[in-house]
Amino acid sequence: DAGVIQSPRHEVTEMGQEVTLRCKPISGHNSLFWYRQTMMRGLELLIYFNNNVPIDDSGMPEDRFSAKMPNASFSTLKIQPSEPRDSAVYFCASIRTGSHYGYTFGSGTRLTVV
Amino acid sequence: GEDVEQSLFLSVREGDSSVINCTYTDSSSTYLYWYKQEPGAGLQLLTYIFSNMDMKQDQRLTVLLNKKDKHLSLRIADTQTGDSAIYFCAEGRSYIPTFGRGTSLIVHP
Repeated sequence: DAGVIQSPRHEVTEMGQEVTLRCKPISGHNSLFWYRQTMMRGLELLIYFNNNVPIDDSGMPEDRFSAKMPNASFSTLKIQPSEPRDSAVYFCASIRTGSHYGYTFGSGTRLTVV
Repeated sequence: GEDVEQSLFLSVREGDSSVINCTYTDSSSTYLYWYKQEPGAGLQLLTYIFSNMDMKQDQRLTVLLNKKDKHLSLRIADTQTGDSAIYFCAEGRSYIPTFGRGTSLIVHP
């Protein structure tokens, strides 16, 4: 298995632009998580899905952030409009629900908003 | 305070042992984890321990759990430069772990 695949690896955009981050979970994993990592706040859970359904989005910072999971093999995290304070590394992770040690992270997308 | 706390930095000499400490608050945690993050990469599960265990050893890694004090530690024997990374402690009752802020391990020659 290729693991959790995220794209793009790096994204530089101007303030006010729309940004879409993509994630492909491991086949057979039915829970998917989006995290944000910054020096100031560490690793923050933004939202997670179970069987493609959003379960908890309480970590999404603002209405500018939205996430979708149209099918079991694809999810997007969208920021519209983007702001410089959104600059961070965004990680996607997946696991088979009920497994306690199969949590697998992607390599992340480093987002820079200028 | 945070649910999982760990110091931010640890510096050791190559060949020495490293001990990374962590405290957590949820006494009902079932699993406790150590993840490793290398530069430019995501977190990778290094090892885990069930809450009914005191110790787990895996080659150069030793995990110690003091459930009474809610204290977890990771010992890396014979630390190498390749061990330089950020180490995250995490606890979980469900399949969703709660992560600490991470400890940056710096190994110098």
